[in-house]
Amino acid sequence: QQQVKQSPQSLIVQKGGISIINCAYENTAFDYFPWYQQFPGKGPALLIAIRPDVSEKKEGRFTISFNKSAKQFSLHIMDSQPGDSATYFCASRGGSQGNLIFGKGTKLSVKP
Amino acid sequence: EPEVTQTPSHQVTQMGQEVILRCVPISNHLYFYWYRQILGQKVEFLVSFYNNEISEKSEIFDDQFSVERPDGSNFTLKIRSTKLEDSAMYFCASRSEAGQNSPLHFGNGTRLTVT
Repeated sequence: QQQVKQSPQSLIVQKGGISIINCAYENTAFDYFPWYQQFPGKGPALLIAIRPDVSEKKEGRFTISFNKSAKQFSLHIMDSQPGDSATYFCASRGGSQGNLIFGKGTKLSVKP
Repeated sequence: EPEVTQTPSHQVTQMGQEVILRCVPISNHLYFYWYRQILGQKVEFLVSFYNNEISEKSEIFDDQFSVERPDGSNFTLKIRSTKLEDSAMYFCASRSEAGQNSPLHFGNGTRLTVT
């Protein structure tokens, strides 16, 4: 069964610190790896995404690191802010119709 | 910025009743999806829809579920006879094309409560 394994389940970080969330996937045919941010009562919103031909992608304070040989990718949030407190989902795309398979999510709390 | 809209935001129904969840995808999008999220758990794929037919579905999407695009703007999910375990947030999503550069846009969801 295709899975995306995400850790940790929850994370508490001080304001200004670095938040790191990890994901591992199984299927080498996956071709797209997005991270979604979800606030309570809202749908997931695309935060940043990477393709397997790139090892790192940075957008502002958010960076994805991708290790193709290990089938792992991670989200780094630099200078974490209380407004970053949300649930973060990694995902992988493998279906022909662009279907995403999500990890179980990480609830991030950034303390002021 | 265009967005996916879902109605109602919260639906309460009794077990065994039929419910229809409604979505208006972004207007120029071609691929449509339903996902669900049981409280506190991961987002799970239900079904994808393209060119007026189901293109892929998960094992969750059994005979109790159906989808329809009744006109040029709406995309609906019908649950024929709801069960307690159908209680979840249901998210509609759409994308403009299936390629690598086309992100999936989610609506804010419908919270379905089956009593």
